[in-house]
Amino acid sequence: AQKITQTQPGMFVQEKEAVTLDCTYDTSDPSYGLFWYKQPSSGEMIFLIYQGSYDQQNATEGRYSLNFQKARKSANLVISASQLGDSAMYFCAMREARNFNKFYFGSGTKLNVKP
Amino acid sequence: GAVVSQHPSWVICKSGTSVKIECRSLDFQATTMFWYRQFPKQSLMLMATSNEGSKATYEQGVEKDKFLINHASLTLSTLTVTSAHPEDSSFYICSASSRGHTGYEQYFGPGTRLTVT
Repeated sequence: AQKITQTQPGMFVQEKEAVTLDCTYDTSDPSYGLFWYKQPSSGEMIFLIYQGSYDQQNATEGRYSLNFQKARKSANLVISASQLGDSAMYFCAMREARNFNKFYFGSGTKLNVKP
Repeated sequence: GAVVSQHPSWVICKSGTSVKIECRSLDFQATTMFWYRQFPKQSLMLMATSNEGSKATYEQGVEKDKFLINHASLTLSTLTVTSAHPEDSSFYICSASSRGHTGYEQYFGPGTRLTVT
């Protein structure tokens, strides 16, 4: 089974609007971490936000927030007030405590912000 | 902090030649480094995990003799693509693991674009 599933290959959003990128995960490890990365066309992987499985509150980092629904095993990324510079590929990733060095990546979502 | 560099950022080589890609952690020591491969519009595929001073652990389906990994020090890992072929053309990304506020985080290099002609 896929560890990380991103079902939206591409998304469009109007500048200044909010957008949600979906991510579901599969693990039997009670301790895990969820990450979101942004990859612009230059190729670099930029860390955006992290959510630990035991964190009580949803993570937020500036315009990024993570909608963590543990029972549903979903960790959606919400970008508020989209900017043209947000156009990029976005990857959801998971790390399990039993193998903390291994990251599982989703297939990614290409976000296009329209002016 | 936690900067990872890769060199070269892009390389073009002829079929049959070998290419070496370097990955350096600039301001921290990384006991573990990772090599990923990414095809256009696809996700990152983990190729191997390397620990300083020991042999790399390759993922299933990755040819050890073709993709030679050396992790000679706590700040340097190299990936050598031997006898390169056009199908080896890809974007190669390294990352280095270090303890951060989320536990062990991976810090990614900027990637190397390899084109084999």
